[in-house]
Formats: sequence, structure tokens, C-alpha cells
Amino acid sequence: DSGVTQTPKHLITATGQRVTLRCSPRSGDLSVYWYQQSLDQGLQFLIQYYNGEERAKGNILERFSAQQFPDLHSELNLSSLELGDSALYFCASSATQGYPGNTIYFGEGSWLTVV
Amino acid sequence: GENVEQHPSTLSVQEGDSAVIKCTYSDSASNYFPWYKQELGKGPQLIIDIRSNVGEKKDQRIAVTLNKTAKHFSLHITETQPEDSAVYFCAASASNTGNQFYFGTGTSLTVIP
Repeated sequence: DSGVTQTPKHLITATGQRVTLRCSPRSGDLSVYWYQQSLDQGLQFLIQYYNGEERAKGNILERFSAQQFPDLHSELNLSSLELGDSALYFCASSATQGYPGNTIYFGEGSWLTVV
Repeated sequence: GENVEQHPSTLSVQEGDSAVIKCTYSDSASNYFPWYKQELGKGPQLIIDIRSNVGEKKDQRIAVTLNKTAKHFSLHITETQPEDSAVYFCAASASNTGNQFYFGTGTSLTVIP
């Protein structure tokens, strides 16, 4: 158990809908990362937050947004869903931002299926 | 930005044999290189990491080597067991990019009993 908690574990929704994925980082971790993993794909970095502020942006679609709250939990919002958005979405956390060699720990992921 | 390449994409070995997975990176500023193991339906788990001031690190049957000059690092698993079967990802990170991690595309390792 990495200490990173993600909910829901599984989600099935229809095209055009909106969903919210939730992540609680490890106790004390200030940085939260979101990754997308599609079938036969690697880990695609979406976005990083540090202590409530956006720190880095990857290949995140405009239909997607995220935020980190004062209690450090984070939410990833996916809207106008398309079939191609079906994927495993991972949240990861680390203790600090920018510290060399500080590793990240992944949650178990949220399986999103768009039908 | 950083580009991490990982080979091979699939690897099958007999139980007890060794397995080697190789990664290359492009950004000379990268200074931290973790390896993750991902079992089916689960999140990636850190199995070993190495920093740029070290050439080799070992943890029981797992070792990682780093060649900074050539910009490549490798994962070595000795005496493989069926439970080693999983997808393995390498990653590179540089402190000057805000701790952003760049992942390889993964290697699916199958250990045949």
C-alpha cells in the first residue's frame, strides 16, 4: 500500500458526461500528480500540483481540469467525455516539489470506461 | 524536454534466468532514475532507484546501473521468479524541471516456470 488513495476504483459513464476523480496523497506529501494510462500505452503525465498551486502541465486536454484543495487532496475533472478517454487514471504524490531525487508514489488508479 | 526510451517492450525468460531492461535518456540534467513495477490492475510500485552520483545500486535480486556519460541506465533482475512477471517502467527526473518525471514506455516481463 503506497498510502495514496484514489476513488472511485471503477467508473462507467456515457459519452458527453462529466466525471470527477478524487485523490488523497500520502500523509505529509505536498505534491500531487495525475497520469493517464490507456491500453498499450505508457504513463502520460497530465498535470502536477504543489501545495494548492499548479506546477507543471503535460498532455492534458482542455476538457480536463484539476485542482488541489487546502487539505491537499486533489480532484481531476473530465468533461464532454469521449470513447477515447477510457483509461486508467493514476494519482501520485511526493513530499516536496523540485527536490532532486524525490520519488513519487502511485495510487491504485481509477478505471474509467466511457460507453 | 526529456525523452526516455525503454527496450525491450516485451521480454520472456525462464525461471531462474536473469532479465535486463535498458533505458536511455536525453536530458543531461536528469539526476534521478527510479524503476517501477506494475502488476495487472494495480498502480506502479517503486522497486529501486538510483541518483546521478552513484553508478550502481543493488537490493537483493534487483540491481540498477547508471552510465551518465552514455545517458543510459539498466535494471537487472537475477534468479527470476514467476512473481516477477509484470510491466516495468523506467523514469528520469531533473530537479530543474520541478521534479517532473518522464517515463519509458514499459517492458512486459514474463517469467516462464
